[in-house]
Amino acid sequence: DAGVIQSPRHEVTEMGQEVTLRCKPISGHDYLFWYRQTMMRGLELLIYFNNNVPIDDSGMPEDRFSAKMPNASFSTLKIQPSEPRDSAVYFCASTLAGEQFFGPGTRLTVL
Amino acid sequence: DQQVKQNSPSLSVQEGRISILNCDYTNSMFDYFLWYKKYPAEGPTFLISISSIKDKNEDGRFTVFLNKSAKHLSLHIVPSQPGDSAVYFCAADYSGNTPLVFGKGTRLSVIA
Repeated sequence: DAGVIQSPRHEVTEMGQEVTLRCKPISGHDYLFWYRQTMMRGLELLIYFNNNVPIDDSGMPEDRFSAKMPNASFSTLKIQPSEPRDSAVYFCASTLAGEQFFGPGTRLTVL
Repeated sequence: DQQVKQNSPSLSVQEGRISILNCDYTNSMFDYFLWYKKYPAEGPTFLISISSIKDKNEDGRFTVFLNKSAKHLSLHIVPSQPGDSAVYFCAADYSGNTPLVFGKGTRLSVIA
């Protein structure tokens, strides 16, 4: 298995633009997590899904953030409109139980 | 309120010596603890875990110790190697399949 796949690996955009981050979890995993990593806050959980259903989105910072999981093999995290303070590395992770497997992350820079 | 705390943001250790990374938690419901290692430009990767029914788990050069009464765990790396230089995250879980709660990480530098 290729592991968790994220795209793009790097994204540079201007304030106000829409940004979409993509994730393909490991086949067979029924949990998917979106995290954001910053120097100040470390790894923050934004939202997680179980069997494609959002379970807890309390970590989503604002209404500008939304996430979907239309099927078991694909999820998106969208920021609209983006702001400079959204600049961070965004990780997707998946699991069947216990240990989570992380993707390589998307480094987002909002100018 | 942080439920998992790694109070040392960084640590430097000489090659060949022991590295000790510490982690404290506040939620007594946590029953499973994990350590992740993260290199630059990569996602965190699982390193070692321990269940709350144990107080020690060893895997090669890596040993995790759990002190439930103190709500404290530590990761020992011995001997430390330059390739161990990375950010180490402590994480905790309870009741299985709930999101892991991560600490902010400790950056370990192993100096040759």
